[in-house]
Amino acid sequence: AQSVAQPEDQVNVAEGNPLTVKCTYSVSGNPYLFWYVQYPNRGLQFLLKYITGDNLVKGSYGFEAEFNKSQTSFHLKKPSALVSDSALYFCAVNTGGFKTIFGAGTRLFVKA
Amino acid sequence: GAVVSQHPSRVICKSGTSVKIECRSLDFQATTMFWYRQFPKKSLMLMATSNEGSKATYEQGVEKDKFLINHASLTLSTLTVTSAHPEDSSFYICSARVVAGSDEQFFGPGTRLTVL
Repeated sequence: AQSVAQPEDQVNVAEGNPLTVKCTYSVSGNPYLFWYVQYPNRGLQFLLKYITGDNLVKGSYGFEAEFNKSQTSFHLKKPSALVSDSALYFCAVNTGGFKTIFGAGTRLFVKA
Repeated sequence: GAVVSQHPSRVICKSGTSVKIECRSLDFQATTMFWYRQFPKKSLMLMATSNEGSKATYEQGVEKDKFLINHASLTLSTLTVTSAHPEDSSFYICSARVVAGSDEQFFGPGTRLTVL
């Protein structure tokens, strides 16, 4: 069965510091991996995806994620956090079928 | 990027009434639409998958007679919460996919339902 784990409920980081939001996955087959961000009372916004190719994927708002097949991870990163990055982040996995499985979400809090 | 709208954004209703939520893909045709429910501080729970012109496929534990889904066209899906009760209060989010496979889903802004 497909699953996605986001081991941290919350990540705290100071503005200007690098941030990492962790994600690991378990799928049978080649994964399609996604990161989404959700602001309060809003739907999810797409940040980036990995389908194939370069393991380092660059996305919106300066975010990037690195696909690591051996560690089955797809951590979200940003070199310099902004207060406006504070939000709820979801990692998701799909193997080309209809269903996308979402992680539990990680709340990012960036302190000024 | 593709835009998905939801209407209404917020709705408050009395217990026992029915509420309809619309999900529209504004600039593309969505072959598949998804309905999710999100509890406070929780992840998204997939309720059902609907393909245009066919019956929705409900996830285990989701009552299809309570949560009626209609996907009558390639740009519109509706979720009707019938005989709503306070425990149905939640944030409902729809998403749309253009083609099956790797394409990401485009999410609506969500609908906050409060049942009194």
